[in-house]
Amino acid sequence: EAAVTQSPRNKVAVTGGKVTLSCNQTNNHNNMYWYRQDTGHGLRLIHYSYGAGSTEKGDIPDGYKASRPSQENFSLILELATPSQTSVYFCASGDARGANTEVFFGKGTRLTVV
Amino acid sequence: AQSVTQPDARVTVSEGASLQLRCKYSYSATPYLFWYVQYPRQGLQLLLKYYSGDPVVQGVNSFEAEFSKSNSSFHLQKASVHWSDSAVYFCALRSSNTNKVVFGTGTRLQVLP
Repeated sequence: EAAVTQSPRNKVAVTGGKVTLSCNQTNNHNNMYWYRQDTGHGLRLIHYSYGAGSTEKGDIPDGYKASRPSQENFSLILELATPSQTSVYFCASGDARGANTEVFFGKGTRLTVV
Repeated sequence: AQSVTQPDARVTVSEGASLQLRCKYSYSATPYLFWYVQYPRQGLQLLLKYYSGDPVVQGVNSFEAEFSKSNSSFHLQKASVHWSDSAVYFCALRSSNTNKVVFGTGTRLQVLP
């Protein structure tokens, strides 16, 4: 099974500070995704990537940047964190080479911005 | 644009009863559709998936789902639920041309003993 590892698992940040959430996958998947999960909203797509060097805006990209320096790693960056970004963040990866493939999720990062 | 709607935020059923969780999608081409389950403080795990062929797909733990192109739906079903099925269930759609994957808002299932 695909392994997707997120770090840190918990983070408390101050308003206006910079936060970097990291994600590593070990199954050589082309696609990687960042979501946030909030009550009443389900999972919302922030950014995704087709491969090293690429990033695409998802449905709620404002306030977030993404970086894909390698096939294995995909980071989510909050340059100026705000309390509204308090959430649980999930990273996922999937293989673009198959037509019928699901995404595999990490265990999530709980971010609190105070 | 692609989207997924799960109209029921919460569903409560008794153990042993049958279950249907609803999912409607909006997408212009042939969708790849998925159901995921999330247990407390965990990531999402795949239950089943559909791309083509038989509209009824089988998944883990005796779950199944039926794809309907005419109704733009992909409802999840189970004949007899167990208390351990209590969780949050998400329907998802993957774009066939961009690989973008979007989720519904989820349905929280509570199974009463």
